[in-house]
Amino acid sequence: NAGVTQTPKFQVLKTGQSMTLQCAQDMNHNSMYWYRQDPGMGLRLIYYSASEGTTDKGEVPNGYNVSRLNKREFSLRLESAAPSQTSVYFCASSGDRESSPLHFGNGTRLTVT
Amino acid sequence: AQSVTQLGSHVSVSEGALVLLRCNYSSSVPPYLFWYVQYPNQGLQLLLKYTSAATLVKGINGFEAEFKKSETSFHLTKPSAHMSDAAEYFCAVSGYSGGGADGLTFGKGTHLIIQP
Repeated sequence: NAGVTQTPKFQVLKTGQSMTLQCAQDMNHNSMYWYRQDPGMGLRLIYYSASEGTTDKGEVPNGYNVSRLNKREFSLRLESAAPSQTSVYFCASSGDRESSPLHFGNGTRLTVT
Repeated sequence: AQSVTQLGSHVSVSEGALVLLRCNYSSSVPPYLFWYVQYPNQGLQLLLKYTSAATLVKGINGFEAEFKKSETSFHLTKPSAHMSDAAEYFCAVSGYSGGGADGLTFGKGTHLIIQP
């Protein structure tokens, strides 16, 4: 009953460092998403992937790259971290219908100093 | 483009009182609407969703929401608040870009505080 698993749970980076956030789902969903959550801003979509091999930009893609490694895994990479990227990052997956709800992981809390 | 407005970043009610969390949406297509709850240091959990089958939708933990097209609203209610309801609540509308499985657009959230 794992659902959506994110690693790591916490990370501290220095400005300019790079890192990859990992996400895996075991629900056989085609669609996967990366959101960031900031106080008073709700959740904002960074990138999404409607199927293996495809990715699309969301509302706030600048400074991020993604890889849909296979159907299960969708990673988010920060090439050169900036303090503005301090946030909580959530991965989610969903079925193919527009009415399908998103299933979320427990998040990665990232601090960039 | 889709958008969601949640009225009130913080709502405080007494234990046992009615909970009302407001959500208004804007959508260029018939919407699918969702309410999620987030407990501290956790991910988001689906409370309920509207998919046009019925305008009054019942969810988990005694919550329900009513879709009102004329008011473009989808307010969340619970008749009697419990201490365990203290959390952040998010309203969301389907479709980042207007269609397909391209995610949800979320409101900014309402923090529900339960007074003993």
